[in-house]
Order: sequence, then C-alpha cells, then structure tokens
Amino acid sequence: QKEVEQNSGPLSVPEGAIASLNCTYSDRGSQSFFWYRQYSGKSPELIMFIYSNGDKEDGRFTAQLNKASQYVSLLIRDSQPSDSATYLCAVNKGNTGKLIFGQGTTLQVKP
Amino acid sequence: DAGITQSPRHKVTETGTPVTLRCHQTENHRYMYWYRQDPGHGLRLIHYSYGVKDTDKGEVSDGYSVSRSKTEDFLLTLESATSSQTSVYFCAISEDRRYGYTFGSGTRLTVV
Repeated sequence: QKEVEQNSGPLSVPEGAIASLNCTYSDRGSQSFFWYRQYSGKSPELIMFIYSNGDKEDGRFTAQLNKASQYVSLLIRDSQPSDSATYLCAVNKGNTGKLIFGQGTTLQVKP
Repeated sequence: DAGITQSPRHKVTETGTPVTLRCHQTENHRYMYWYRQDPGHGLRLIHYSYGVKDTDKGEVSDGYSVSRSKTEDFLLTLESATSSQTSVYFCAISEDRRYGYTFGSGTRLTVV
C-alpha cells in the first residue's frame, strides 16, 4: 500500500462545475496535509494546507480533512479551463517536515 | 519562484560521470529538500537539510550525496550517473515545516 494514494484520472468536468479530488494516507501520525497544483512542464505550487478536521475554504478551493478515515479532499468550485492541471496531495510524514506525495490526479476542465 | 533558483535547467551527461545540481535560495529558509519526479512514481524525496551541515537521507538516496555549507546553497551530487537517474529534479525550501514547501523550477537531467 502506498503511503499517499490518489486516483490518477484524468478527471474531466465541464466548465463551471465542481471538481472533487480525493486522497487517502496511511500514517495516522500525520498532522498536516497539502494540496499542490502542477501545470505540465512546471514546478508544483502550493494551493492549500489543512491541519484540523473539517473544511478550510480559500476562494474557489475547499480542502476537507477526515483524520478518522485518513482522507483528504479538494473541491474546486466554478471550475475554469485554467484549472486544468495535475493536483498533488502531500502528507507531512509523522510531522517530520518530510512531505510524502501522491502520484497526482490530472484534472481536465472542458469549455 | 520565491527566491529559489536551480541550475542548470537542463543537462545531458554520460553514464558514469559525476554530476552536481545546485539549488540557491535568497529567503534564508532553514529547510531545503531535493526531490525527483518520474512518471509512475510521482515526487520522491532524495535528501533534505535542516540547517548548515545538517542533512539526512530520504526514500531514494542511493547514488546521491548532498552538501550544505551555507544556508543559501544545497548541492545534489550524482556520484556516477546512471540511466535510471534520468529524471526531473526539484529543489524545495521551507521556513516552517508545518506550512509546506516552495519549489524551484526544476532541472531536467538526461543520462545517456
């Protein structure tokens, strides 16, 4: 079992829809969780982080964390073609500062 | 990229030669990391540093060494390059381990 698992996709949604990206992790000691966006040929950029159970909202993005189920998700509201990218989930392994990344989910937003 | 520069951006080298990649930051961040990214494997941690002369191994450290003699520079050396080390290498920096990293633009390395 991989430490951080994501469905590789592609996930295809129409413009204006909600995109839902999911991630599960295996280390129950993990305390902080991150979502990065990576455009093709570019470096990952941090879009959100979350520590506490529940939801955290930032503009069109909402991160959701459920530590009991070891599950993190990212919702993108009013999806735009510019949101088309690979989204990487990362977990702070045992709170060491070492981020373990999932393989990423490719999102395609169709006009 | 938030004061983080990787060099070179692209490099082609021959099997068996040593290669050094450089990561330079102007943010005075304590933590620095080297990752490689490969299709099917995602981002994997090679080595990291939590201060000058303080480094430790990540999950894929075999064949790599690092040095950090100054806060701003973190060097990754492939001691004898192999074709399996063809990859995109990313450096990342962090001021506080709780808040995630900022990545550099990456180095595309091809070993022929």
